[in-house]
Amino acid sequence: LAKTTQPISMDSYEGQEVNITCSHNNIATNDYITWYQQFPSQGPRFIIQGYKTKVTNEVASLFIPADRKSSTLSLPRVSLSDTAVYYCLVGLPFSSNTGKLIFGQGTTLQVKP
Amino acid sequence: DVKVTQSSRYLVKRTGEKVFLECVQDMDHENMFWYRQDPGLGLRLIYFSYDVKMKEKGDIPEGYSVSREKKERFSLILESASTNQTSMYLCASSQPAEAATQYFGPGTRLTVL
Repeated sequence: LAKTTQPISMDSYEGQEVNITCSHNNIATNDYITWYQQFPSQGPRFIIQGYKTKVTNEVASLFIPADRKSSTLSLPRVSLSDTAVYYCLVGLPFSSNTGKLIFGQGTTLQVKP
Repeated sequence: DVKVTQSSRYLVKRTGEKVFLECVQDMDHENMFWYRQDPGLGLRLIYFSYDVKMKEKGDIPEGYSVSREKKERFSLILESASTNQTSMYLCASSQPAEAATQYFGPGTRLTVL
């Protein structure tokens, strides 16, 4: 099972682009990479998922290099409301008992005015 | 819109008590999960279930059991609560083909005295 490593914390200012990198050296061939966001006193919320190259949605972009040993979540022009913990998760989009997902330690992003 | 609800937001129990945490999802999801979240440790998977009456151990199943008698309901049981089980407990659900996209409940903060 792929272990993930992320920075414990990051600071940014409103309006800046924020990039959070996750290392997953032992990622398996069929593993997907998923990022979640968590605000205090709430459950995590799905942000974005990808397998390779680049994925973009209305919230973020996810960059995955060819070797897939790392991934970068990019948040464009952050605001104070983006202050949260961001989790990198690697695993299969599995069915039955073919695998399980592992959450990383999470990166606490603090956006300052 | 997927909704995952948990029976209590806050719960206080005494050491040795049997504790039931209930989780209900309304999207007919096959998979359901129980995690605990502790400062500095991120989310850790306790148990998951991929079908009614089916369950698999996660990373930290010791001291816990689960029950899934109906598809929409997944219960976490602490047979004899201990102080080291004081934590935030999070329930989640997903479809088998999209297991990396999990929908979380608001969490139950359990304190064991």
